[in-house]
Amino acid sequence: EIVLTQSPGTLSLSPGERATLSCRASQSVRSTYLAWYQQKPGQAPRLLIYGASNRATGIPDRFGGSGSGTDFTLTISRLEPEDFAVYYCQQYGSSPITFGQGTRLEIK
Amino acid sequence: QVQLQESGPGLLKPSQTLSLTCTVSGGSISSGSFYWSWVRQPAGKGLEWIGRIHTSGTLNYNPALKSRLTMSLDTSKNHFSLILTSVTAADTAMYYCTTGMVIDGVASFDPWGQGTLVTVSS
Repeated sequence: EIVLTQSPGTLSLSPGERATLSCRASQSVRSTYLAWYQQKPGQAPRLLIYGASNRATGIPDRFGGSGSGTDFTLTISRLEPEDFAVYYCQQYGSSPITFGQGTRLEIK
Repeated sequence: QVQLQESGPGLLKPSQTLSLTCTVSGGSISSGSFYWSWVRQPAGKGLEWIGRIHTSGTLNYNPALKSRLTMSLDTSKNHFSLILTSVTAADTAMYYCTTGMVIDGVASFDPWGQGTLVTVSS
């Protein structure tokens, strides 16, 4: 099983700032099958990024993903008020599919 | 776009069997190549993948739940189901159904249902 470790656990930033979230895998993620999801309170997760760097339909271009192998990053270039939420990474290239424990992005 | 809606009992007693259904609208579960999955989330905690069933009926289960888990497709009702036996308090969670188009044998999860809360308590 691939274990995903996200850091930091909580990130405190202000609107307009740049956010950098990390996801590290215990072993190489096959063919960059790494996704990022955003979850707001009381809502289901929403797909942001798939294949490590591809934005899902309707996702603003301030969201960007990068990385390969065991190290991946989600970058939000300029934070909007609606971006403050919990973010999860997921590897879907190997079974069992696994998620990171999440990074909470909060308003400073 | 496809929409998903979970339904289930809400409250169960320990040792009972959980049965959940995910009704699909806006598309057929028997068309194309999709994985139909279940994910759960205990209150205040992270996401756990439960398992998936392919359009063809091929199954993949999380090893941690495999001994208690059964998933199936019902093409006549356009829904897929989860059965989890011998539930305990540790199975208390929000349960989501989700799907994804299979490309190169894999799929991310988009879209998701709104979730259904399952509580196991005596």
